[in-house]
Amino acid sequence: ETGVTQTPRHLVMGMTNKKSLKCEQHLGHNAMYWYKQSAKKPLELMFVYNFKEQTENNSVPSRFSPECPNSSHLFLHLHTLQPEDSALYLCASSQDGDREGFNTEAFFGQGTRLTVV
Amino acid sequence: RKEVEQDPGPFNVPEGATVAFNCTYSNSASQSFFWYRQDCRKEPKLLMSVYSSGNEDGRFTAQLNRASQYISLLIRDSKLSDSATYLCVVKTYSGGGADGLTFGKGTHLIIQP
Repeated sequence: ETGVTQTPRHLVMGMTNKKSLKCEQHLGHNAMYWYKQSAKKPLELMFVYNFKEQTENNSVPSRFSPECPNSSHLFLHLHTLQPEDSALYLCASSQDGDREGFNTEAFFGQGTRLTVV
Repeated sequence: RKEVEQDPGPFNVPEGATVAFNCTYSNSASQSFFWYRQDCRKEPKLLMSVYSSGNEDGRFTAQLNRASQYISLLIRDSKLSDSATYLCVVKTYSGGGADGLTFGKGTHLIIQP
């Protein structure tokens, strides 16, 4: 059983809808991430939170809005999405640091498969 | 130039054979390296970290060549259950806290009976 849980597992939404993806990690990690996986593309990092502070935003459109209320929970709020935003959205967590050679494993949730119609 | 490049395959390999994948990365400041495995419609899971001295875990051997900026994965005595997509992953520390992992597109491996 994964230590990172995501809900919902599947979501179909219209372009005018507002929805939120939820992620919860039970591993005591200090960093959480949102990734997007589209067909035939590598996983794309969207957002990084370290100790609840957003440390990276990889030029993600504003229709995606992350929220990290505490170190165990991460949300991705969705608003007026486009059909090309249909993808698998993966949440991950890791125990992170900035020491050279400190290899940290990222644990992934099972993802939310999003379809925008 | 892509940050992490892999041959997407598919590699069709008979059961019991040895197969090797390579991966190249563009950022010479990259400091941590991993191979992840992703099964169809599942999340990626860590297969093994890659250390500078090379490391082995059962039938799997990973090697890192910093001078040439490539990472390799060797699978010996391949099993049907090894069929999956293998993702090459690098991490670069900027000193400012958590940095995300950078993934390659993955190499699709199919083990045939």
